[in-house]
Amino acid sequence: AQTVTQSQPEMSVQEAETVTLSCTYDTSESDYYLFWYKQPPSRQMILVIRQEAYKQQNATENRFSVNFQKAAKSFSLKISDSQLGDAAMYFCALNSGGSNYKLTFGKGTLLTVNP
Amino acid sequence: GAVVSQHPSRVICKSGTSVKIECRSLDFQATTMFWYRQFPKQSLMLMATSNEGSKATYEQGVEKDKFLINHASLTLSTLTVTSAHPEDSSFYICSARMPGADQPQHFGDGTRLSIL
Repeated sequence: AQTVTQSQPEMSVQEAETVTLSCTYDTSESDYYLFWYKQPPSRQMILVIRQEAYKQQNATENRFSVNFQKAAKSFSLKISDSQLGDAAMYFCALNSGGSNYKLTFGKGTLLTVNP
Repeated sequence: GAVVSQHPSRVICKSGTSVKIECRSLDFQATTMFWYRQFPKQSLMLMATSNEGSKATYEQGVEKDKFLINHASLTLSTLTVTSAHPEDSSFYICSARMPGADQPQHFGDGTRLSIL
């Protein structure tokens, strides 16, 4: 079985500052994919960033980057220059293959951005 | 690209009514679609996985006869909540993905279902 753990139920950051959201996971598969999704109050699920486990280079998408530590099974999300629009629930998710590529989600971290 | 449309966005109906929710991939063919349920301030709970042209695979504890899923084409899956009761009130959200191990799931905007 695979698991995803987000140990921070809530986080807050000042506008323009940097914040890191933690995620650890467990899987017995050697090939898998990791994702961060954002869910704002509108409840739309938005893909933020993804990482292939076989790639050593950390993924980056504009102000969003990850710190992928495969040996430690850690996949943290760093948001730089935080903006008010970044306020949302953030979910870490793991896809370790199988016939349907189901996602296993963490419980989420609620991010508040203070002006 | 990779847009998923989900309708309706909000449903309010009486107990005993059956409700159908549609999930469409607008600009890609989705070999697999997923249906989730989300309770307030909680994560997404996978209900079932549907593949085009075959029966859906339900997660443990999800009633197949209660939540009917049809995936008739590569761009459309439907979830029907049969004889809905107040305890079925929830936020339901679908997702779709393209073939390929590295493809993410793309989500619809969700449906807020309220059973009176």
